[in-house]
Amino acid sequence: DQQVKQNSPSLSVQEGRISILNCDYTNSMFDYFLWYKKYPAEGPTFLISISSIKDKNEDGRFTVFLNKSAKHLSLHIVPSQPGDSAVYFCAASDDYKLSFGAGTTVTVRA
Amino acid sequence: DGGITQSPKYLFRKEGQNVTLSCEQNLNHDAMYWYRQDPGQGLRLIYYSQIVNDFQKGDIAEGYSVSREKKESFPLTVTSAQKNPTAFYLCASSRDPNSGANVLTFGAGSRLTVL
Repeated sequence: DQQVKQNSPSLSVQEGRISILNCDYTNSMFDYFLWYKKYPAEGPTFLISISSIKDKNEDGRFTVFLNKSAKHLSLHIVPSQPGDSAVYFCAASDDYKLSFGAGTTVTVRA
Repeated sequence: DGGITQSPKYLFRKEGQNVTLSCEQNLNHDAMYWYRQDPGQGLRLIYYSQIVNDFQKGDIAEGYSVSREKKESFPLTVTSAQKNPTAFYLCASSRDPNSGANVLTFGAGSRLTVL
């Protein structure tokens, strides 16, 4: 039973515009939420995280928003750049264990 | 240059054969993990280990085995009992899984194909 869901398998955005990736979860015990970025044939790399007691965390072009009442989080990338084309995974932490969503493939068009 | 090394990068196996995937880290991390990635399913946890000589089953441990004899090493054996072993396998580690966000560092992965 998947506890973390990314319902949009793909997203296409023009260079310079905003990319918004969404993630929903079911387990209210998750204490941290993380976003990872993955290129083909490589391992995921950590992007940004947010504690369950916060509603926003920003790091450069990346901002994560958390809505606990809706059990929803989103990742905003602005402005989008060609190097952002990758698969983005949402993950949620329950103690030591990370549960991952299925990923969203982002394509940034020139 | 610290990181996680997985080998081999590509592996082909005949049905009925066991195969072992190597994972070595020089990050001095305490915890290590094995995940499996299938198309459209994200990453699923196979096994994890928080300290040497101790490991626990994840969500899909059936048909897999691991050992943690050294802090740096966490090999995964895919046995013939694993019904659908063809997948992309990712090893990861983290410094302290009980402190804050458990940020995992991943290796580059091993792609196993069963012929």
